[in-house]
Amino acid sequence: EAGVTQFPSHSVIEKGQTVTLRCDPISGHDNLYWYRRVMGKEIKFLLHFVKESKQDESGMPNNRFLAERTGGTYSTLKVQPAELEDSGVYFCASSPSSGEQYFGPGTRLTVT
Amino acid sequence: GQNIDQPTEMTATEGAIVQINCTYQTSGFNGLFWYQQHAGEAPTFLSYNVLDGLEEKGRFSSFLSRSKGYSYLLLKELQMKDSASYLCAVSWGATNKLIFGTGTLLAVQP
Repeated sequence: EAGVTQFPSHSVIEKGQTVTLRCDPISGHDNLYWYRRVMGKEIKFLLHFVKESKQDESGMPNNRFLAERTGGTYSTLKVQPAELEDSGVYFCASSPSSGEQYFGPGTRLTVT
Repeated sequence: GQNIDQPTEMTATEGAIVQINCTYQTSGFNGLFWYQQHAGEAPTFLSYNVLDGLEEKGRFSSFLSRSKGYSYLLLKELQMKDSASYLCAVSWGATNKLIFGTGTLLAVQP
C-alpha cells in the first residue's frame, strides 16, 4: 500500500511569489490534515478535510493560505503571496477514521 | 489552551532502556500519540493510548495516565537506529487534530 505522498519535496521561492503544495493521501482515507513546522517550533495543525469538505481550518495563519480538496482525493495548499515567515516544513497526514494519522515526508518551503 | 511538555534532548547507551516523558494540559482530550521522526523524514506512528495503562508493542511501550496528564514512551534494548526525534501528540477536539510537543531528540551512543 502506498503511503502519503507530497510534492514537491523542496521549494525555494521569493517573497511575493505563489507556491502550491500537493498532498496525495492513502487511498480510501477520508480524513486529510495539513500541519506545519516552523524552524525551532513544534508541528502545528493548519486544517482538516473530511472528503472534500473543510471541517476545521482554525489553524490557517491568514487568508494568504488556501487549501482545497476537489473530489475528496488529493489536496493542494496554496500560499499567495508568500512571506518570509511562511518558511517551514509542511506536512500532510491522512487517516481512515479517528485513529492513527499517517504522515507524508513533508514539503520544505523556503521563502527568500 | 493546550500545552505539551517533553524534554528537548536525551542520551542513552546502546542496549539500555530509556523513558521519554510527556505531560500535557488540554481540554477535549481524545487520545495520545507517540511518533518517531528521523531527520528529513515523515513522522512514523509508534503508539496510541486512549485509556489509562500500558500498551506494549515489541521493544516500545507507552503509558498513559489521563488523571495526571502524563504519558511516557519506553524504549528497550536500544539500537543505534533508534536515534531520532520522538514526538508526543494529543488528539484533540471533534476533528481529532493533533497538538504536538516540540519533540525529544534521542541520541543512542555505542
